[in-house]
Amino acid sequence: DIVMTQSPDSLAVSLGERATIKCKSSQSVLYNSNKKNYLAWYQQKPGQPPKLLIYWASTRESGVPDRFTGSGSGTDFTLTISSLQAEDVAVYYCQQYYTTPSLSFGGGTKVEIK
Amino acid sequence: QVQLVESGGGVVQPGGSLRLSCAASGFIFSNYGMTWVRQAPGKGLEWVAFIRNDGSNKYHANSVKGRFTISRDNSKNTLYLQMNSLRAEDTAVYHCAKVAVEGVPGDDYFDYWGQGSLVTVSS
Repeated sequence: DIVMTQSPDSLAVSLGERATIKCKSSQSVLYNSNKKNYLAWYQQKPGQPPKLLIYWASTRESGVPDRFTGSGSGTDFTLTISSLQAEDVAVYYCQQYYTTPSLSFGGGTKVEIK
Repeated sequence: QVQLVESGGGVVQPGGSLRLSCAASGFIFSNYGMTWVRQAPGKGLEWVAFIRNDGSNKYHANSVKGRFTISRDNSKNTLYLQMNSLRAEDTAVYHCAKVAVEGVPGDDYFDYWGQGSLVTVSS
């Protein structure tokens, strides 16, 4: 099974500043035949279900603000919020689907306002 | 618009059973794989089970294998999770979610999620 490890567990960022979340997989999620990274990012606000932000490691879901950027390849990935807004306070999760249908999520990173 | 509405949760004693349902609308249910993901109180997301669009292939996490069974009735646009031999550690909100991409096995990320149904296992 692929283990997804996120860091940090939580971070506090000032409004308008950059937030950076890391996700590391225990094995590569890059499929060599199509050069795609089988990794997604979700945002979960309190009392709400998760919301898809990013898939294929860097493709933004329709309607997601462009301040959210996914990057990385292989085993190391980053979700960057370029200019934190109050509505971005949430827990963020990465998910690998390389070993689909056996899936796994990272432990989550809580983003707060400093 | 896409809607996923879970039901069937509640309080059950250890060793008991429950069946969760997820009523889907707003899309062609039979064209999409579906999954169950749970979240224990104050904890992160844990994948539980997955089923392909036609129900031909079902997969369960090791933590629930042999106790839980995912199924679907495409004529009723409904996803199910039969949970037997429940344990305290199964206490969680159970979300159903829809695969984002129609008919492409492997592209298994999820674009719509239900609000969830709370299952509490306690004596």
